[in-house]
Amino acid sequence: DAGVIQSPRHEVTEMGQEVTLRCKPISGHNSLFWYRQTMMRGLELLIYFNNNVPIDDSGMPEDRFSAKMPNASFSTLKIQPSEPRDSAVYFCASSPWTSGRDEQFFGPGTRLTVL
Amino acid sequence: TQLLEQSPQFLSIQEGENLTVYCNSSSVFSSLQWYRQEPGEGPVLLVTVVTGGEVKKLKRLTFQFGDARKDSSLHITAAQPGDTGLYLCAGGKAAGNKLTFGGGTRVLVKP
Repeated sequence: DAGVIQSPRHEVTEMGQEVTLRCKPISGHNSLFWYRQTMMRGLELLIYFNNNVPIDDSGMPEDRFSAKMPNASFSTLKIQPSEPRDSAVYFCASSPWTSGRDEQFFGPGTRLTVL
Repeated sequence: TQLLEQSPQFLSIQEGENLTVYCNSSSVFSSLQWYRQEPGEGPVLLVTVVTGGEVKKLKRLTFQFGDARKDSSLHITAAQPGDTGLYLCAGGKAAGNKLTFGGGTRVLVKP
């Protein structure tokens, strides 16, 4: 079975442009998580969904960030307008609801550079 | 606030040496996971422990969950250059909830 798929793998854009990151979770997984990773701040949870419903978006830094999950096999993270401080690696992870465990499986990440 | 403190933050050792990474919290977790992340890739799950006092072995890696389920350790025996990476611990409360991640321990094993 394929793992979590993210696209694009690399994105370079200019300040003020809209950026859309995409994620396909592992089939059958109930939860989907968006993270951001930088050297300074480590791995930060931005938002997560259970059964396509947003549960906790307290990690979303500003209104410039938005995330959607229209169905069980697709999610997007959008930044509009982008700023240089948004440069980071963005990870998507999915998780099954196996009793007593909340293991997460990560995608390869999207490296975003905002000039 | 649930915090997971990892120590040390950075570890540089020679091939063949042993190392231990610690993950500590004041909170009780229902499960604790260890991930390894290599440059340019996402974190990869190594192991999950769920029972207080549980010990799991994965080849040269030994993972232990504290009796009170608040802390964990990762011990690598005879480290190899392939063990180089960022090790992250993460605690969970229940399925369908978010994980609390530690800040990570960057391990460098020199040949």
